[in-house]
Amino acid sequence: QKEVEQDPGPLSVPEGAIVSLNCTYSNSAFQYFMWYRQYSRKGPELLMYTYSSGNKEDGRFTAQVDKSSKYISLFIRDSQPSDSATYLCAMSGTSGTYKYIFGTGTRLKVLA
Amino acid sequence: SAVISQKPSRDICQRGTSLTIQCQVDSQVTMMFWYRQQPGQSLTLIATANQGSEATYESGFVIDKFPISRPNLTFSTLTVSNMSPEDSSIYLCSVVSHSYNEQFFGPGTRLTVL
Repeated sequence: QKEVEQDPGPLSVPEGAIVSLNCTYSNSAFQYFMWYRQYSRKGPELLMYTYSSGNKEDGRFTAQVDKSSKYISLFIRDSQPSDSATYLCAMSGTSGTYKYIFGTGTRLKVLA
Repeated sequence: SAVISQKPSRDICQRGTSLTIQCQVDSQVTMMFWYRQQPGQSLTLIATANQGSEATYESGFVIDKFPISRPNLTFSTLTVSNMSPEDSSIYLCSVVSHSYNEQFFGPGTRLTVL
């Protein structure tokens, strides 16, 4: 079993839809959870960074962490064609440990 | 966030040759890393580039195959040596800055080995 599991998609949604992207993990030591967005032929871009359980909101994006279920989510409201990209989850253990474990990424396509 | 550039952005190389990838950051950073991203797979950490000393390699990666230099706080190179088609991948530099705890990535180098 991989440490981090992420459905590769592709996920196609109509413009304006609410998108839910998810990752599950097996290591209970993970404390820091990140979401990156990667456009084709570009490097990953940090979207959200959360610590421990709970929600964090930034504009149209909400990151949710449920440590009891070892499950994290990224919600995108009012999705736009410009949101079409691959979304990678990443996680790490203690502060200062930058050895992130990444999911394989979910490819999202928002149709105009 | 730090601005990171990589050179070359892409290259096509012959089997048995070597390629050196450069990573330049616009500000001094605490840590620099090199990752590999193969199609359909997650990002895999190759090594941590240490300033003025030998890089710290992850399991499965060795210095002879992936020599790394980091002469100062803003620059690092990764060499992919004696390449084979299995080395075809995207190679990414990432940094953690003094100001932020988050990790930022460069645009990547797309390598194809024939």
